[in-house]
Amino acid sequence: AQSVTQLDSQVPVFEEAPVELRCNYSSSVSVYLFWYVQYPNQGLQLLLKYLSGSTLVKGINGFEAEFNKSQTSFHLRKPSVHISDTAEYFCAVSGNTGFQKLVFGTGTRLLVSP
Amino acid sequence: EADIYQTPRYLVIGTGKKITLECSQTMGHDKMYWYQQDPGMELHLIHYSYGVNSTEKGDLSSESTVSRIRTEHFPLTLESARPSHTSQYLCASSPSGSGETQYFGPGTRLLVL
Repeated sequence: AQSVTQLDSQVPVFEEAPVELRCNYSSSVSVYLFWYVQYPNQGLQLLLKYLSGSTLVKGINGFEAEFNKSQTSFHLRKPSVHISDTAEYFCAVSGNTGFQKLVFGTGTRLLVSP
Repeated sequence: EADIYQTPRYLVIGTGKKITLECSQTMGHDKMYWYQQDPGMELHLIHYSYGVNSTEKGDLSSESTVSRIRTEHFPLTLESARPSHTSQYLCASSPSGSGETQYFGPGTRLLVL
């Protein structure tokens, strides 16, 4: 079974500042890792995912994440945030065999202020 | 842009009523899912389907039921709604295959009085 921990429930940041949203996972098998974003009153949208290969993954809207197997982490970063990045961000993990059910973290609310 | 739809978007209903939450996708995806999401909490998988005539219970116990008679349609039914069913319900779909992205609908916010 897999589990995900998002250490920060809320991250306030000023516009144009860099941000990192932390995600740690645990699993007894090899994993796939995902970051989703949820804007108010909407469903989730995929930002990026790691399946294999390069540990640095680039996604939409200028976000990137780095898979660190030794630290079991998959932190999300953006060098300069915009007001429009204010949203809830969910890290998710699945095993890489079988049905591959997604297990989600509790989410991090990113609050970008001017 | 994914084409997955949920109706209604918002529903307020009294205890004991039967309700069906609709979910449809036009992408021809084999796999479909229902998640329950409470405010400030993670998503919990309550039902999933590999394809037509396939339904499975997820990790979170739920009194709801689902059906998958057509590829594009995956409705969720509560026979007798209770206040404990108040939550947001998110439907998703994905292609078959390894590491495929799940595409989410906009969700249904259910309030049971």
